[in-house]
Amino acid sequence: KQEVTQIPAALSVPEGENLVLNCSFTDSAIYNLQWFRQDPGKGLTSLLLIQSSQREQTSGRLNASLDKSSGRSTLYIAASQPGDSATYLCAVRYSGAGSYQLTFGKGTKLSVIP
Amino acid sequence: NAGVTQTPKFRVLKTGQSMTLLCAQDMNHEYMYWYRQDPGMGLRLIHYSVGEGTTAKGEVPDGYNVSRLKKQNFLLGLESAAPSQTSVYFCASSFRLAEETQYFGPGTRLLVL
Repeated sequence: KQEVTQIPAALSVPEGENLVLNCSFTDSAIYNLQWFRQDPGKGLTSLLLIQSSQREQTSGRLNASLDKSSGRSTLYIAASQPGDSATYLCAVRYSGAGSYQLTFGKGTKLSVIP
Repeated sequence: NAGVTQTPKFRVLKTGQSMTLLCAQDMNHEYMYWYRQDPGMGLRLIHYSVGEGTTAKGEVPDGYNVSRLKKQNFLLGLESAAPSQTSVYFCASSFRLAEETQYFGPGTRLLVL
């Protein structure tokens, strides 16, 4: 079964620290990988989308990398702020049968302490 | 643009009752999806649609039906609600299937007693 794993499940850091969130997936045959942010009681907001042919994407203080061969992606957040506190979800669109769906990890809950 | 909207925001049902969740998008997207989110399980796809008048099953379709009579609307129905269907339901849409990001609605919280 194709799966997506996110470690750690929760992370607490002081404001201003740089941090890395990890995502691993079981099959290198993917269309793309997305990072989402989810605030409590809210929907998902797409942060970065990396196509299978790309190595990384950047948006502001966020940088996401993709290594298909090792089945890994990282989301780097620079100079963290309390407003970054949320749950971050990684989702993979695998190629082939079932390519219509995103496979989600269970998320990393980030707390940035002022 | 309102994006993706969902109605209702919250609902309590008794076992055996039926209801319909409405999803609407104003981005002219072809593809629409229904997910459920449960603690410790992540989001799982229930049903999806690749265009007006078409629907297909996702990972966890049992106990649900869907309809896409208009391009902008995607309805999720529960014919006979069960406590196992207590969850948060998210609708999403995208312009194309593989390359594009999915845009999510705010969610509907459903409690089945």
